[in-house]
Amino acid sequence: SYELTQPPSVSVSPGQTARITCSGDALTKQYAFWYQQKPGQAPMLVIYKDTERASGIPERFSGSSSGTTVTLTISGVQAEDEADYYCQSADSSGIHYVFGIGTKVTVL
Amino acid sequence: QVQLQESGPGLVTPSQTLSLTCTVSGGSITSGTYYWSWVRQPAGKGLEWIGRVSTSGSTNYNPSLKSRVAISVETSKNQVSLKLSSVTAADTAVYYCARAPNNGDYLYYFDYWGRGTLVTVSS
Repeated sequence: SYELTQPPSVSVSPGQTARITCSGDALTKQYAFWYQQKPGQAPMLVIYKDTERASGIPERFSGSSSGTTVTLTISGVQAEDEADYYCQSADSSGIHYVFGIGTKVTVL
Repeated sequence: QVQLQESGPGLVTPSQTLSLTCTVSGGSITSGTYYWSWVRQPAGKGLEWIGRVSTSGSTNYNPSLKSRVAISVETSKNQVSLKLSSVTAADTAVYYCARAPNNGDYLYYFDYWGRGTLVTVSS
């Protein structure tokens, strides 16, 4: 089965930079997507196609890709950015979708 | 603006079949080319893709659930349905309906989500 590996948690002080990595072999063949999920809410698309911000997403959110790893960066973290972040992609056939375990971002 | 709304029983007895419906509003379910997916999330845990259906009715399922899952589309009602058989407590989760673009551009993601519905499996 295909897996995406994320750290379970990241802590950051307000105004600092948070970086969340996501690794998986198929990321060399498929794009990655990032979702933000706050308690009691549905996930919301933040980054698509590795690096592009979804509509309405603040510029402090950015994505990058290198080999089998993609990274979500939140620059100048704000208290409202505290949430769970999930990377998502698909297997090489594009038939099965897969999520990482999610990373809880805590703003100290 | 498209909206997705999940509905169905909030409590299911173990060994029975979980049945949910996703009603799409704000546009026809056949407008554009999309897959309609179900994703679930146990309390305090991560997201798990269950499967998808196209508007033509073709389906793909998570291999770990394939033997128990059936997803179908009712275009006349603008609805997508999920059936999960032989449920156990491990199937207790919030179940989301989500739309996935299928534009032939090899981008596999979800652009719209329902609010989710909690299903508890318990006797």
